[in-house]
Amino acid sequence: NAGVTQTPKFRVLKTGQSMTLLCAQDMNHEYMYWYRQDPGMGLRLIHYSVGEGTTAKGEVPDGYNVSRLKKQNFLLGLESAAPSQTSVYFCASSRELRGGGTDTQYFGPGTRLTVL
Amino acid sequence: AQKVTQAQTEISVVEKEDVTLDCVYETRDTTYYLFWYKQPPSGELVFLIRRNSFDEQNEISGRYSWNFQKSTSSFNFTITASQVVDSAVYFCALSVSYGQNFVFGPGTRLSVLP
Repeated sequence: NAGVTQTPKFRVLKTGQSMTLLCAQDMNHEYMYWYRQDPGMGLRLIHYSVGEGTTAKGEVPDGYNVSRLKKQNFLLGLESAAPSQTSVYFCASSRELRGGGTDTQYFGPGTRLTVL
Repeated sequence: AQKVTQAQTEISVVEKEDVTLDCVYETRDTTYYLFWYKQPPSGELVFLIRRNSFDEQNEISGRYSWNFQKSTSSFNFTITASQVVDSAVYFCALSVSYGQNFVFGPGTRLSVLP
């Protein structure tokens, strides 16, 4: 099992450009998440999904869009990149606990994005 | 609302010292889960342990041990005989039994000096 994979690993964009980050998981997890981590900071939730075809906003959703067309994939889009979006982006997935709730989140290796 | 506090922003120890990382959580839910993650300098996030609210038994895994105390809402992590490879940021996290509520603490940066 590959677990959670992210592509690309690194990317440099110019202000105003758009891009899509791809997250894939092979653990058949219901839940998937996108976080950003700025230097020396903790994790901030951007968007998440509790199942195929569903998405919801997290703590810092502005400037990002997501889609979950297939259970195993969760895409994060930047429509018009800004320097403030320079960060490391982590994808995670987890199973739903019996009775509700979120089990252990497993993380991808991260994508380092620089916006000039 | 759920909250996780890691009051220690940074800790430095000398190799072979024992070190305890504190984690205090807040939740009104009676069923919840606590986690620790490690983020080494290479950047990946590594899952270390999961504990549910009904199991207050302490756990030991090699040099790592976890002390869960519901009375003080704490889930502390101790590294015995620390090594340079333990240098990392450690995150404590909380999940409750409903909805999408997975809350991370701000992290503690541990530096183990040779």
